[in-house]
Amino acid sequence: NAGVTQTPKFQVLKTGQSMTLQCAQDMNHEYMSWYRQDPGMGLRLIHYSVGAGITDQGEVPNGYNVSRSTTEDFPLRLLSAAPSQTSVYFCASSYSGTKQAFFGQGTRLTVV
Amino acid sequence: DQQVKQNSPSLSVQEGRISILNCDYTNSMFDYFLWYKKYPAEGPTFLISISSIKDKNEDGRFTVFLNKSAKHLSLHIVPSQPGDSAVYFCAANGGSNYKLTFGKGTLLTVNP
Repeated sequence: NAGVTQTPKFQVLKTGQSMTLQCAQDMNHEYMSWYRQDPGMGLRLIHYSVGAGITDQGEVPNGYNVSRSTTEDFPLRLLSAAPSQTSVYFCASSYSGTKQAFFGQGTRLTVV
Repeated sequence: DQQVKQNSPSLSVQEGRISILNCDYTNSMFDYFLWYKKYPAEGPTFLISISSIKDKNEDGRFTVFLNKSAKHLSLHIVPSQPGDSAVYFCAANGGSNYKLTFGKGTLLTVNP
């Protein structure tokens, strides 16, 4: 049982480049979300989805896009990377009936 | 406006003693609280949770206490073990959604 899988684990981007952080879960969870973790800031919600075709903004959505075409996948897109997006990104999923989120291993992104 | 606060960035305890991690919240709509544990280079893992209809929940060495009137919760670890050394995040949820609001975390170090 893989749980929540994030790829890549590490990435270095130049300012202005675009990329997609992948997230897949095999637990058939309806709810998926993206968080970023910055030093001294905890985890902050970027975007979330309550099911395929439904997404919404979290606390810090600017500079990021998401889509949810299947239950399993929830990619996070950076259209034009900025140094302020240097962070560790975590994808999480949960199912109805529990508020417990299951997290992936994280993607460490550096924008230079 | 930080809705979940963990005012102690770090805590150091001796092996075998009690560790007490504290968390305060400001949003009265929060009705479910969770603690996550995070090791370096890994995703957060769920530890224990409590609903606002309870004031205590216990799971082995871990106990969470909730004081709704004070908007305060605490995590007790007894006895503390070196393997408990990690960052602990307090998280809160309110209503029918699955969004979690996290505190900034507390780094617990358990010394042998």
